[in-house]
Amino acid sequence: RKEVEQDPGPFNVPEGATVAFNCTYSNSASQSFFWYRQDCRKEPKLLMSVYSSGNEDGRFTAQLNRASQYISLLIRDSKLSDSATYLCVATDLNSGYALNFGKGTSLLVTP
Amino acid sequence: EAGVTQFPSHSVIEKGQTVTLRCDPISGHDNLYWYRRVMGKEIKFLLHFVKESKQDESGMPNNRFLAERTGGTYSTLKVQPAELEDSGVYFCASSPLAGAAYEQYFGPGTRLTVT
Repeated sequence: RKEVEQDPGPFNVPEGATVAFNCTYSNSASQSFFWYRQDCRKEPKLLMSVYSSGNEDGRFTAQLNRASQYISLLIRDSKLSDSATYLCVATDLNSGYALNFGKGTSLLVTP
Repeated sequence: EAGVTQFPSHSVIEKGQTVTLRCDPISGHDNLYWYRRVMGKEIKFLLHFVKESKQDESGMPNNRFLAERTGGTYSTLKVQPAELEDSGVYFCASSPLAGAAYEQYFGPGTRLTVT
């Protein structure tokens, strides 16, 4: 079983739509969580950390449910520039600072 | 401020040959990581340096892979001899020693093709 699982998509949404991505992690020792964004043939870039209380950064909202081992990312008012692959990431104390990536969810925002 | 740089951007080699990838982290970042993405799979951790010391090399696939970070600055990852399954994109990342150590900054990657 993979440590971090995501729906690969693709999610095709029109501009202005709200879209949500989900992610589950299998290791209950996971302690820190992130969403990274990766544009085609580019490097992953940190989008936002995910906190237990939930957190928001502009149009982006991240949620964590430790009991269900579930992480989500909500994007409101989608822009064309949001088109990318969104990578869910977990870490655990036993693995130092190694990031455990999901395979990513592909988003295409269309005009 | 310059980001993480990697060289070469692409490498095509034949099975059995040797390739050396280089990573220059962000200046002042003591943590340096190597990751790899094989086609169709997720990005996987290979190893982690703190300065010149290997902190965690649990992700290294086998002894054909050798990573070094002499002097605690840039790092090299050598694959010798390369096999077909080594093809993929090799990312390097760096982060500060304390505080935001989990906020890793990735380089553009080296796309390795073994034929």
